[in-house]
Amino acid sequence: EAQVTQNPRYLITVTGKKLTVTCSQNMNHEYMSWYRQDPGLGLRQIYYSMNVEVTDKGDVPEGYKVSRKEKRNFPLILESPSPNQTSLYFCASRFGTGVYEQYFGPGTRLTVT
Amino acid sequence: GENVEQHPSTLSVQEGDSAVIKCTYSDSASNYFPWYKQELGKRPQLIIDIRSNVGEKKDQRIAVTLNKTAKHFSLHITETQPEDSAVYFCAATWMDSSYKLIFGSGTRLLVRP
Repeated sequence: EAQVTQNPRYLITVTGKKLTVTCSQNMNHEYMSWYRQDPGLGLRQIYYSMNVEVTDKGDVPEGYKVSRKEKRNFPLILESPSPNQTSLYFCASRFGTGVYEQYFGPGTRLTVT
Repeated sequence: GENVEQHPSTLSVQEGDSAVIKCTYSDSASNYFPWYKQELGKRPQLIIDIRSNVGEKKDQRIAVTLNKTAKHFSLHITETQPEDSAVYFCAATWMDSSYKLIFGSGTRLLVRP
């Protein structure tokens, strides 16, 4: 089944404790993104990647890192989480930069205390 | 700057009535306009999309119209049913080097039985 997976689905952590949210897709997609969803603000792109070893900042990249060592995986790293990073996070992928449907992962609800 | 405005933020309709959600975008070069439906606790899922060379597209009870001159597009749901209750997001491609999707802030649709 073609899909985007994320782990963990729920995470409660404390300020400053490094964490990684994994994302994987099995559709051979080149373009992958991370979004955060906050009430009234829609989906805002954090980082994106157009291919292996090609990543760039989105609209709200502060406090986040990513890597793209393999085509299928695009982990999101929070080196020192803060309470303002409490949010719902979605990984997404699509075939390329052209007009292609974008698929979302199931989401990760992160709470930083 | 890059922006997609979506209205209304909430919409309540009687079952069987029609619902219309409107979006405006800022990048005149945008060429792809998807609509996503997000049910409570779920990921956004594509319900319909339209490309810039088409003015209207219909899929059963759902239709999307695009006015490129005015830079706005709309989602029309006819004969609404309680299962249509969800949050709906519009999006538009941003045609810089990122090719990212810019999302509207969402419309919470409630269909009253």
